[in-house]
Amino acid sequence: EAAVTQSPRSKVAVTGGKVTLSCHQTNNHDYMYWYRQDTGHGLRLIHYSYVADSTEKGDIPDGYKASRPSQENFSLILELASLSQTAVYFCASSGTFSAETLYFGSGTRLTVL
Amino acid sequence: GDQVEQSPSALSLHEGTGSALRCNFTTTMRAVQWFRKNSRGSLINLFYLASGTKENGRLKSAFDSKERYSTLHIRDAQLEDSGTYFCAAEAYNQGKLIFGQGTKLSIKP
Repeated sequence: EAAVTQSPRSKVAVTGGKVTLSCHQTNNHDYMYWYRQDTGHGLRLIHYSYVADSTEKGDIPDGYKASRPSQENFSLILELASLSQTAVYFCASSGTFSAETLYFGSGTRLTVL
Repeated sequence: GDQVEQSPSALSLHEGTGSALRCNFTTTMRAVQWFRKNSRGSLINLFYLASGTKENGRLKSAFDSKERYSTLHIRDAQLEDSGTYFCAAEAYNQGKLIFGQGTKLSIKP
């Protein structure tokens, strides 16, 4: 079974602070994604990457940066956290972009106060 | 394993007409999402349903967990609706979305 691990599992941050969410996959997948999920809503894509050292904007990239230093690692960075960024964040990987099962991490619950 | 079967694989419509896409599931799913792949390759979230129906403009989606299917209806199709549409089902306690194979929709003048 494919493995995607996220850290931390949960985090409380202050408004205006910097937050970094980390994701590591051992699937040897080229594609990695960051999604956010808000209560009652589906996943929305923030950023994705198909190769190390390159990232692409998703549906809702504003307020977020991403970093893919290696094939295995993909980070999501909130330079100035805001209240509206309180959500659960999921990292995922896949061998190809879409039309295939995405393997998700267990999620990071971020609360911005 | 759990599977999502999406149909049709390709669909061509004339402007102003409509049709429906369908996803069948081999097992009970907790929720379904519909996406459209945009020109940049990212997936635009159209609908998220845990049950019932939702409507947004010319698009309407339905999800029946018990009957194991979901549909996406498009009416009064416009040229900008062209693209590839995916459904993705959320399996219980599996932490992943299972995508359908996609429907390539072409809208012709």
